[in-house]
Amino acid sequence: NAGVTQTPKFQVLKTGQSMTLQCAQDMNHNSMYWYRQDPGMGLRLIYYSASEGTTDKGEVPNGYNVSRLNKREFSLRLESAAPSQTSVYFCASSEPGAGRRKTQYFGPGTRLLVL
Amino acid sequence: DAKTTQPNSMESNEEEPVHLPCNHSTISGTDYIHWYRQLPSQGPEYVIHGLTSNVNNRMASLAIAEDRKSSTLILHRATLRDAAVYYCILMDSSYKLIFGSGTRLLVRP
Repeated sequence: NAGVTQTPKFQVLKTGQSMTLQCAQDMNHNSMYWYRQDPGMGLRLIYYSASEGTTDKGEVPNGYNVSRLNKREFSLRLESAAPSQTSVYFCASSEPGAGRRKTQYFGPGTRLLVL
Repeated sequence: DAKTTQPNSMESNEEEPVHLPCNHSTISGTDYIHWYRQLPSQGPEYVIHGLTSNVNNRMASLAIAEDRKSSTLILHRATLRDAAVYYCILMDSSYKLIFGSGTRLLVRP
C-alpha cells in the first residue's frame, strides 16, 4: 500500500495563476481532508470530505475549491493564487466508522510558493 | 472546540524517557485525546489515543489524569528519530483534528 500520495511535491506559481493539487489514497477510507501548514504553525483544515460525494468547509476555506472525484481521490484547486497561499499542503484520509477514535493518515505534503 | 496547552519545546537525552505534558481543562466527557507527531519535512503521523484509561502501544504510552484535565505522552527510550513536533489534540463530535502549535522535542545524542 502506498497510503496517501500527493502530487506535485513542489510548485512555484505566479500571483493569479491557478493550479490543482492532487491527492489519492489506497486504504479504502471514506473521509479525506486538506490542510495547510504555514512556517512554525500547526496544521489548519481547509476542506474535508466525509464520504464520496460530500464536501464541507474547514477553518480556512477562502480561496480554495475541492472535488471529491471518487472514493480514492480528493483534489484541491487554487483558482487565482495569492502570496498568502504560500504554504505546505497536506492531504489526509481516515478510516470509516470508529467515531472519535478514528485516526488520520497523512501524505508527504506539497510545498507551494506563490510569487 | 476544546483547547489544549503544551510547552513550546522540551529537550531529552538519547535513550532516556521523555514525558510530554498536555493540559486540556475544558475537555468534555466524550472527547478522545489524540497524539500525533510530525518529523522534519514530513506529514504528521498518528502516535496514540485514549479516552479515560492509560494506553500503551509500540510507539509510546499515554497516561491520562483521573479528572481527564491533563495527559502525558511517554516515550520510554528517546532516540534521535523521535525528534519531532508532538501535537496533543482533542477529538470531539465533529471528528476533526484541530492542531495547535505542539511541543518541539529535541533529542541530544
